[in-house]
Amino acid sequence: GAVVSQHPSRVICKSGTSVKIECRSLDFQATTMFWYRQFPKQSLMLMATSNEGSKATYEQGVEKDKFLINHASLTLSTLTVTSAHPEDSSFYICSASPNRETNTEAFFGQGTRLTVV
Amino acid sequence: LAKTTQPISMDSYEGQEVNITCSHNNIATNDYITWYQQFPSQGPRFIIQGYKTKVTNEVASLFIPADRKSSTLSLPRVSLSDTAVYSCLVGDWGGGSASKIIFGSGTRLSIRP
Repeated sequence: GAVVSQHPSRVICKSGTSVKIECRSLDFQATTMFWYRQFPKQSLMLMATSNEGSKATYEQGVEKDKFLINHASLTLSTLTVTSAHPEDSSFYICSASPNRETNTEAFFGQGTRLTVV
Repeated sequence: LAKTTQPISMDSYEGQEVNITCSHNNIATNDYITWYQQFPSQGPRFIIQGYKTKVTNEVASLFIPADRKSSTLSLPRVSLSDTAVYSCLVGDWGGGSASKIIFGSGTRLSIRP
């Protein structure tokens, strides 16, 4: 089946630094990818919709200047957490659906555990 | 966006059949119903998808009544490894529609020996 790969799977960074997370669709093209954040024992919260070749669409309450999204190609979207702080520590997950005419399921990456110290 | 409602948690025992029902009263004509499984510290994993009636694959069955306002995920003969969070999502993700994928609370299923 289709695969979405995230990198890195885990990252620890110092407060004030920036961290980039990559999301790749390995065997399909995706015009749209989604980024989520998940805190312990909570459901996935949609942060933003990443659109290839255009600006991302952010959900209410998500700071676009803090969470920079770049969707440079049909197989790659990146999320950069800028000036990270301990409260940004969370599990970040991306998803993508293949560009098909018919309905298809969404595929999710394995997630990135970010710890800001 | 069609909102979904599921039980917060369920308990069962190994070898039993587990049925998890999801309500989606305002499902749209083009929406499909998709169920995902998630283990701690992992991304959601696709289980099954359907539009109407019944769908069956190697791991589960999905029952959808004619009005499509609800759906039931059926897991036959569960094992301890089926302990996870199960989420039902409703949307149209094909044809370049880019419908948002919104998760509800999901159902935390606990399987006991």
